[in-house]
Amino acid sequence: DAGVIQSPRHEVTEMGQEVTLRCKPISGHNSLFWYRQTMMRGLELLIYFNNNVPIDDSGMPEDRFSAKMPNASFSTLKIQPSEPRDSAVYFCASSLVSDTQYFGPGTRLTVL
Amino acid sequence: GEDVEQSLFLSVREGDSSVINCTYTDSSSTYLYWYKQEPGAGLQLLTYIFSNMDMKQDQRLTVLLNKKDKHLSLRIADTQTGDSAIYFCAEYAGGTSYGKLTFGQGTILTVHP
Repeated sequence: DAGVIQSPRHEVTEMGQEVTLRCKPISGHNSLFWYRQTMMRGLELLIYFNNNVPIDDSGMPEDRFSAKMPNASFSTLKIQPSEPRDSAVYFCASSLVSDTQYFGPGTRLTVL
Repeated sequence: GEDVEQSLFLSVREGDSSVINCTYTDSSSTYLYWYKQEPGAGLQLLTYIFSNMDMKQDQRLTVLLNKKDKHLSLRIADTQTGDSAIYFCAEYAGGTSYGKLTFGQGTILTVHP
């Protein structure tokens, strides 16, 4: 299996622009997780889905952040408008319920 | 609620053993995990232990679980420079958490030659 695939790997954008991060989970996994990692705050869970349905979005920092999972093989995390403090590494992970989470390589976002 | 705590830094000499400690609060944890993150990479599963076990050994890695004290440790024998990374412990509570893990803040392991 190819593992969890994230794109792009690096994104540099200017403040105010819309950013869309993409994730393809491992085939057959039914839970998907979005995390953000910064030096200051460590690893934060933003939102997670089960069977394409959002279960808990309490970690989403602001209304500027939104996530969708239109089908079992694709999810997006969107930031609109982006701000410099959104600069971080964003990880996607997938799992079978009650099983190990497998992480993607991450998207490094820089907002200027 | 769930909370997982780790010390932030550990520095060891190459060839020595490393012990990374973790405490958790949720007594209903079913699985406890150790992940490794190398620079510029995602988190990689190292090993895990089921909550009804006390110890698990996997080559150079030994996981010890003290359920009474809610304490988990990871011992790396014969630590190498390639073991330098951030190590995260995580707990899975089961039930209706749909696979959600609660992570500690990570321990930065530095191995000196």
